[in-house]
Amino acid sequence: GNSVTQMEGPVTLSEEAFLTINCTYTATGYPSLFWYVQYPGEGLQLLLKATKADDKGSNKGFEATYRKETTSFHLEKGSVQVSDSAVYFCALSSNTGNQFYFGTGTSLTVIP
Amino acid sequence: NAGVTQTPKFQVLKTGQSMTLQCAQDMNHNSMYWYRQDPGMGLRLIYYSASEGTTDKGEVPNGYNVSRLNKREFSLRLESAAPSQTSVYFCASLWVNTEAFFGQGTRLTVV
Repeated sequence: GNSVTQMEGPVTLSEEAFLTINCTYTATGYPSLFWYVQYPGEGLQLLLKATKADDKGSNKGFEATYRKETTSFHLEKGSVQVSDSAVYFCALSSNTGNQFYFGTGTSLTVIP
Repeated sequence: NAGVTQTPKFQVLKTGQSMTLQCAQDMNHNSMYWYRQDPGMGLRLIYYSASEGTTDKGEVPNGYNVSRLNKREFSLRLESAAPSQTSVYFCASLWVNTEAFFGQGTRLTVV
């Protein structure tokens, strides 16, 4: 079956620190992979995506590379800001395209 | 472009009351979903509809019913609310192999 496992939080970093949030997946076929971000009191917003192996998604300084050999899609940012404080969700879309699977979310707090 | 619209945004119910959460999307997406979000539990799928006229159970369907009224609208009904259904509810929609688009959520408290 399909599932997503992501690093548990909470994660607390100082401003300008390097961020990695690990995400691994199990899937049949060739899923698309996503990172969503949820700011306090808001819904989920797409942060970045990758639709095939070796694709790199990037947005707002965040990056993640679709690694089929390690079934991973780790989120990275070189220098975090206070405004990056949020909950981050890794997700996959099934091969058939109509099922979505989420990780449990990782809470990030960036302190000045 | 409104995207996914959920109503209401907030609701307080007494145990045993019923209510319907409404969701509408204007992106012509085939698939629509209802999730609940609880602290430390991430997002759990309640029901989904892969296309107009079809609905399927997700991970936590007990205590809920859904209706896919047409391609745009997908409602979630609580027939007899319980305190365990206190949560934030999100509706989402997607086209095949694209990202899911989310509504802003409904914060439901059952007392």
